[in-house]
Amino acid sequence: GAGVSQSPRYKVAKRGQDVALRCDPISGHVSLFWYQQALGQGPEFLTYFQNEAQLDKSGLPSDRFFAERPEGSVSTLKIQRTQQEDSAVYLCASSSSGLGNTIYFGEGSWLTVV
Amino acid sequence: AQTVTQSQPEMSVQEAETVTLSCTYDTSESNYYLFWYKQPPSRQMILVIRQEAYKQQNATENRFSVNFQKAAKSFSLKISDSQLGDTAMYFCAFGNQGGKLIFGQGTELSVKP
Repeated sequence: GAGVSQSPRYKVAKRGQDVALRCDPISGHVSLFWYQQALGQGPEFLTYFQNEAQLDKSGLPSDRFFAERPEGSVSTLKIQRTQQEDSAVYLCASSSSGLGNTIYFGEGSWLTVV
Repeated sequence: AQTVTQSQPEMSVQEAETVTLSCTYDTSESNYYLFWYKQPPSRQMILVIRQEAYKQQNATENRFSVNFQKAAKSFSLKISDSQLGDTAMYFCAFGNQGGKLIFGQGTELSVKP
């Protein structure tokens, strides 16, 4: 596609519900990143993939958060047993490789846990 | 660990005037990149300008330019001839070779007619 595509754009989940957020990176992009942005804050790093390999998951806030990219393209961020503090915008970004190339962001998935 | 600090939560400027947004960072690395991103209400992060730390020359993109002071670990953004469409949140970000970005808290810029 022309840009990074994320779905759903908006999600309201009841506390305790599991959610799955999808990211379609730009075709051919090797690197894929997930960020969490709480209201009024800057984005915070969650995890990073290079192709299908998850090279860094140091930002995942708890074991309720899980990300995968099984075929090195589409990625899914799964949050189990959602809590109110999980309410945030989840941003996905991709780049053709490493940091020397421009990182392109999607429009984000807005998650509200009630 | 790297940190990025934006000390101006809000700024305003009159249309056609110039405004400077401040950013400082802390790192022990010698090779890294610095970025300014614009985030409109849609929440999509749009790259405004980037600077490679090994380059002494300040980056420029049309009306946007930076003042990169490596020794002082300072990276400010200057917007010239401000336009109404420049109204947005602006984030300063640090990136290393691993690709992960560390963002500041953001500065909300309002351009007034």
